[in-house]
Amino acid sequence: DAGVTQSPTHLIKTRGQQVTLRCSPKSGHDTVSWYQQALGQGPQFIFQYYEEEERQRGNFPDRFSGHQFPNYSSELNVNALLLGDSALYLCASSGEINYGYTFGSGTRLTVV
Amino acid sequence: TQLLEQSPQFLSIQEGENLTVYCNSSSVFSSLQWYRQEPGEGPVLLVTVVTGGEVKKLKRLTFQFGDARKDSSLHITAAQTGDTGLYLCAVNFGNEKLTFGTGTRLTIIP
Repeated sequence: DAGVTQSPTHLIKTRGQQVTLRCSPKSGHDTVSWYQQALGQGPQFIFQYYEEEERQRGNFPDRFSGHQFPNYSSELNVNALLLGDSALYLCASSGEINYGYTFGSGTRLTVV
Repeated sequence: TQLLEQSPQFLSIQEGENLTVYCNSSSVFSSLQWYRQEPGEGPVLLVTVVTGGEVKKLKRLTFQFGDARKDSSLHITAAQTGDTGLYLCAVNFGNEKLTFGTGTRLTIIP
């Protein structure tokens, strides 16, 4: 049973560029959440998608946007990259909140 | 802003020792989860607690949910090097999203 799959695993971008990260949820899960994790910190909630719509959003600027497709997979887009956007970006899928989230291994984004 | 404070922030102990880490908030939780994260990986769910006063055991790990559902603890007995990692508590404050604590970075020294 495949868990959550994220791509790419690592990415280096230049300040000002745009990036798209991809996530395939665990089979049977319909909700996808994205988190940003700075080194040594807990994950910070970016937004959550359910039924192809953004259901919740954290305290992140509009440069961060997303999409969910009919097959429940999701993309995270970040425009006008800043050095401070360098982090591990985690995708998590869930079906029922009390059963917890399943996380992918993340995409390590480095902005130079 | 709903915050989850974890303590200690860092903990380094010898293999075989016992330890306890804590997760606290001023808000009441509907449920609480503990995750462990290893370098280069995403967090992995260890346990979910939903009832005030609940105690759950997972081998050498004991999780306790506070009676008032505002705090939780994780106790590890006879720590092993494989327990090394970042321990995160996370709660759903009733608004669907999962909010993570600040984390405890645990290092077990052989």
